[in-house]
Amino acid sequence: KNQVEQSPQSLIILEGKNCTLQCNYTVSPFSNLRWYKQDTGRGPVSLTIMTFSENTKSNGRYTATLDADTKQSSLHITASQLSDSASYICVVGTRGGNNRKLIWGLGTSLAVNP
Amino acid sequence: GAGVSQSPRYKVAKRGQDVALRCDPISGHVSLFWYQQALGQGPEFLTYFQNEAQLDKSGLPSDRFFAERPEGSVSTLKIQRTQQEDSAVYLCASSPIVAGTDTQYFGPGTRLTVL
Repeated sequence: KNQVEQSPQSLIILEGKNCTLQCNYTVSPFSNLRWYKQDTGRGPVSLTIMTFSENTKSNGRYTATLDADTKQSSLHITASQLSDSASYICVVGTRGGNNRKLIWGLGTSLAVNP
Repeated sequence: GAGVSQSPRYKVAKRGQDVALRCDPISGHVSLFWYQQALGQGPEFLTYFQNEAQLDKSGLPSDRFFAERPEGSVSTLKIQRTQQEDSAVYLCASSPIVAGTDTQYFGPGTRLTVL
């Protein structure tokens, strides 16, 4: 069964600290992996999209990694800011399908405290 | 505006009422998606349009759900005879092309509460 699991479920850090969120998937065939940020009451916003051949991609203070062999991905946030408080969702796309063949994780809820 | 807009932002319906949710995608975007997001869950795919053609409606939970995009731009998701389990946030997303790794741009969602 295609699944995307994220950990931790929730995380609290102090402003300025770094953190790493984890994503494990059992989606086959694999096409791409995306990280989204979703603020409360808002739609998800795309942070990164990685295909099979990419093992790291950065977007400002966000850096995503992908290990297609172990089927793991991480999202590293550097020098966290209060505005980083949100849910971070890992999404895996299956090969041959477009955006409708996406398997969504449940997200990690991040709270950045002053 | 430059983003995806949805209306209404909030809708309260009595059980059995029909509702219509509107999505205005980014101008020129070919692909349009509807998702249902229950509280504390990730979005669940409902249906997909490529221009005006509804190419995939496999995620629609029942025949009470109907979506259309008659002119290939604005889309409407209609739910007939609403039930309490229909309470959720309904998200619309659009993307400029059809290929597999294009970015989806999400609207703010419509929060539907069925009493």
